[in-house]
Amino acid sequence: DGGITQSPKYLFRKEGQNVTLSCEQNLNHDAMYWYRQDPGQGLRLIYYSQIVNDFQKGDIAEGYSVSREKKESFPLTVTSAQKNPTAFYLCASSPYGGHEQYFGPGTRLTVT
Amino acid sequence: LAKTTQPISMDSYEGQEVNITCSHNNIATNDYITWYQQFPSQGPRFIIQGYKTKVTNEVASLFIPADRKSSTLSLPRVSLSDTAVYYCLVGGLNTGFQKLVFGTGTRLLVSP
Repeated sequence: DGGITQSPKYLFRKEGQNVTLSCEQNLNHDAMYWYRQDPGQGLRLIYYSQIVNDFQKGDIAEGYSVSREKKESFPLTVTSAQKNPTAFYLCASSPYGGHEQYFGPGTRLTVT
Repeated sequence: LAKTTQPISMDSYEGQEVNITCSHNNIATNDYITWYQQFPSQGPRFIIQGYKTKVTNEVASLFIPADRKSSTLSLPRVSLSDTAVYYCLVGGLNTGFQKLVFGTGTRLLVSP
């Protein structure tokens, strides 16, 4: 089955700790994205990557970091510098030149 | 990136046709119009995309007038399972490779 997987579905962390969210895709897509969604709000772009070893900041990149060492994987690290990390995080991918983004099931992060 | 405006919420009953209109006055020549559907605690799902006139697939139709400053997503004979948030997005390949902007969407509630 082709698709995007995110793990874990729920994640709990103490304030001040870094945490890494996993995103893997087997769709052979070039581009991958990370979004954040707060309750009742739309999605906001954190980072995106068009090709391996390259990524760009989105609209709310502060306090986050990413890597793209493999085409299939685009992990997101939420650092202690992120002031309000509690949110629903969504990963997506799209083929080169394609308009449709395919989303994973999301990870709900709670930081206390 | 073109900004979009859509109603915050809509109500309907099972079996009715629902039309959700999105305004995008500053759409660029190369921009496509894309609609996504999102259920609670899930990632958005692509519904339909178009550039001009009318596009139809197995789940919806998209109507785009000649000036392209608005678009209407039409859902025929909705069911309870169509209760979701619907996002209208405008973007193209020359606006930063899929750097789409998700607004707050339209919350559709379908009642029995």
